[in-house]
Amino acid sequence: NAGVTQTPKFRVLKTGQSMTLLCAQDMNHEYMYWYRQDPGMGLRLIHYSVGEGTTAKGEVPDGYNVSRLKKQNFLLGLESAAPSQTSVYFCASKETEDYGYTFGSGTRLTVV
Amino acid sequence: AQSVTQLGSHVSVSEGALVLLRCNYSSSVPPYLFWYVQYPNQGLQLLLKYTTGATLVKGINGFEAEFKKSETSFHLTKPSAHMSDAAEYFCAVNSWHQFYFGTGTSLTVIP
Repeated sequence: NAGVTQTPKFRVLKTGQSMTLLCAQDMNHEYMYWYRQDPGMGLRLIHYSVGEGTTAKGEVPDGYNVSRLKKQNFLLGLESAAPSQTSVYFCASKETEDYGYTFGSGTRLTVV
Repeated sequence: AQSVTQLGSHVSVSEGALVLLRCNYSSSVPPYLFWYVQYPNQGLQLLLKYTTGATLVKGINGFEAEFKKSETSFHLTKPSAHMSDAAEYFCAVNSWHQFYFGTGTSLTVIP
């Protein structure tokens, strides 16, 4: 089925460890996004990309890096995980500005 | 700058009653407006959207929303709540490449 796939679905990290979250979409969408969702705060944009090879900072980019080497993939990296990065991470993509997002099912990350 | 305000973080309705979830936005330009639904442990699904044209927008699962520019509102309604409607609902504004989400409204449906 077409859509947005996130891996892994769950992960527990120790403080200071690094990891990469993978987002893959097979809809040929230009725009891809990473959000984090925390209770009472809605979704906050971390980084986004408007096309292959481009990335830009969102509302809460500190502590994260991203790469979009291929159009279909958008990677979110945590170089040195901190407990404040415990959250549910959602990837989303869209075709054009007036289209809604297609969301992945999320990655639940716990940093201890 | 854009912002979205959802009035009421928790709403409870009886099964069969009207559902009304409120959303107000601020935008310096005519916005694109969206409602998303999130079921437990799942991603967000698009319920409906307003881009241009008719201000009353119909979505999936019997939901609809009306864009009122004068009130900067985009409230979500459903005439008769069903148990399966229990979920978290997010209103969002699209501006250029970014979406701005409200903080969400948790809907509880009482049997």
